Parts: sequence; structure tokens; C-alpha cells
Amino acid sequence: SAVISQKPSRDICQRGTSLTIQCQVDSQVTMMFWYRQQPGQSLTLIATANQGSEATYESGFVIDKFPISRPNLTFSTLTVSNMSPEDSSIYLCSGTGLGETQYFGPGTRLLVL
Amino acid sequence: AQSVTQLDSQVPVFEEAPVELRCNYSSSVSVYLFWYVQYPNQGLQLLLKYLSGSTLVESINGFEAEFNKSQTSFHLRKPSVHISDTAEYFCAVTPMDSSYKLIFGSGTRLLVRP
Repeated sequence: SAVISQKPSRDICQRGTSLTIQCQVDSQVTMMFWYRQQPGQSLTLIATANQGSEATYESGFVIDKFPISRPNLTFSTLTVSNMSPEDSSIYLCSGTGLGETQYFGPGTRLLVL
Repeated sequence: AQSVTQLDSQVPVFEEAPVELRCNYSSSVSVYLFWYVQYPNQGLQLLLKYLSGSTLVESINGFEAEFNKSQTSFHLRKPSVHISDTAEYFCAVTPMDSSYKLIFGSGTRLLVRP
């Protein structure tokens, strides 16, 4: 299984600012994803992070708000731009190896004031 | 499109009692099925998965789930729970289309009482 780390683990930010979350995988993965878990709710897929090209966003999520990069097979970043209190969530990255199983990072807990 | 339904938002149970967490899914294509667990203030951990083969799958900590294709269900069971099993449990599916996108249920909070 893949071991996935995220930085920062948590942050408190002011509205209108941006935060970049980093995700590092210990081994090569084929797919990387970013999810959002709003307070008391389930996980929703934000986008698939594609190596060396633009991410593929799900309905309701746009690149201007959540720009994503994946410069190589083991690293990806998610930026939450122009934040508002509604962006307060846990953001998780995940990766799959050669199989169908996704492994998750510990999450980044974001509070926007 | 796929959807996952976890009808029970919270399941309270006494320690050493059996428990079943229900999961039903809807999909126009075949899917792989997963149960993830989220302990308080932690990320998601894979509990068990069904990809193919035997419809009964087991985890190392005593949980099991059975895939029932006719009822489109993947219920999670444990014959005797511990206090440490208190957590949020998420059922999820991914279509067999190589997208590997996970669609999650709303989650069930298992609360084990002494």
C-alpha cells in the first residue's frame, strides 16, 4: 500500500487569502485525487490530478478556485483560492497504485475566519 | 452514474454486541466496493474491499462484508464490537471503467458504549 503525507495538517486562514496544500506519496502511483469533506459530511471528489497536464475537475469545482498541480508521479498540490468560511473543510488527497484501491493521506483541516 | 446509500447515520451499540452497518448502491455498470473507517481527527483507512471472487471479505480486525449483487448491497458486520471500534464508517464504490473515482456514502457513525 502507498503511504501518503500532507502538509499542513491544519491551518486557520483569513477570508480572501489562499492556501496551498501539498501531498507526497512514498511510491509511484498511477492516479492521484483530491477530495473535500465538509463538516459532518461525507467525501466529495474535487478533481483528478493529472501528471504534467491540467487536472480534471468534477461538476461544481473549477480551476480558478481550486488550482491543482502534479509535476511528477509522487507529488501534487491543491490551492484553495480566495477563501471564504464556506471553504472550511478537511481536504484529503489519495492515490492508487496498479490496482483499484485508493489510499488516503491524513487530511488537511482548514478553518477560514 | 453511481450512488451509495447508508441509511443509518448513527448506530449506538454496547460493547461485545454484534453490529451491522448497511450499505446499498446503485450503478449502471459493475463496480468495486470498499469500506473505509475514519477514527476521530484522523484520515481515512481502508477497512476492506471487494474486487472479485468470494463475495464474503474480511478485515484483520474482525469486520466482514458480503457483496450481494441481486440486492446491490455490501453490508458491514462484526460479531462483537470493542470500544475502540467507535468511528465513522464510509461505504464507497468505484466503477470498473478505469477512472478509479470513488463515490462515497454519507457515512455511519458507530458509537460503542461500555
